[in-house]
Amino acid sequence: DTAVSQTPKYLVTQMGNDKSIKCEQNLGHDTMYWYKQDSKKFLKIMFSYNNKELIINETVPNRFSPKSPDKAHLNLHINSLELGDSAVYFCASSQAPPGQGIVGGNTIYFGEGSWLTVV
Amino acid sequence: AQSVTQPDIHITVSEGASLELRCNYSYGATPYLFWYVQSPGQGLQLLLKYFSGDTLVQGIKGFEAEFKRSQSSFNLRKPSVHWSDAAEYFCAGLSGSSGDKLTFGTGTRLAVRP
Repeated sequence: DTAVSQTPKYLVTQMGNDKSIKCEQNLGHDTMYWYKQDSKKFLKIMFSYNNKELIINETVPNRFSPKSPDKAHLNLHINSLELGDSAVYFCASSQAPPGQGIVGGNTIYFGEGSWLTVV
Repeated sequence: AQSVTQPDIHITVSEGASLELRCNYSYGATPYLFWYVQSPGQGLQLLLKYFSGDTLVQGIKGFEAEFKRSQSSFNLRKPSVHWSDAAEYFCAGLSGSSGDKLTFGTGTRLAVRP
């Protein structure tokens, strides 16, 4: 079974549309994340949640809204998609609470990515 | 500012040759350091990590990395490269003060000549 799974893997949509990417982890982790990888392969954190609570919110347009119905799921909803939103979005999870995540000796596990193309 | 730098954008090596990918970090205190690999069209897989202790860290797929505080480096090495190692390699760092914000380098794309 895949530890961190995202759907869809590929998504092509028109500007102005609203879309969601779903993420689920079966590792029993408390913390989940969304990372964005741009066209130059640069990876940057967008959000992190711990037990359904938002912990990290980087400078991300408010068109992006994460939702965590439970600690095993962290979905990313994007409103009014723009061309610049085209990227690969990675979901991830780790065991420990924020501020101790990797300091505590745990590791962030990544999903396989969702390739979003806005046309 | 905390940062991780990978000076080499592309590297090409022959199959069977040795490999070293460079990573430099800039943190106020000793960071926690990682190497991830991303194969084409795939997600990120953790190769190895350094938290403390032995500065030579062994990872999966025959990779190792050495933490050198004096050089602020955490270079990734493999003694003999296989064609399947062709991928993008990312160095990443984290400090206690940054919580869970894993900071990535810009990546090094490895090509392997037959």
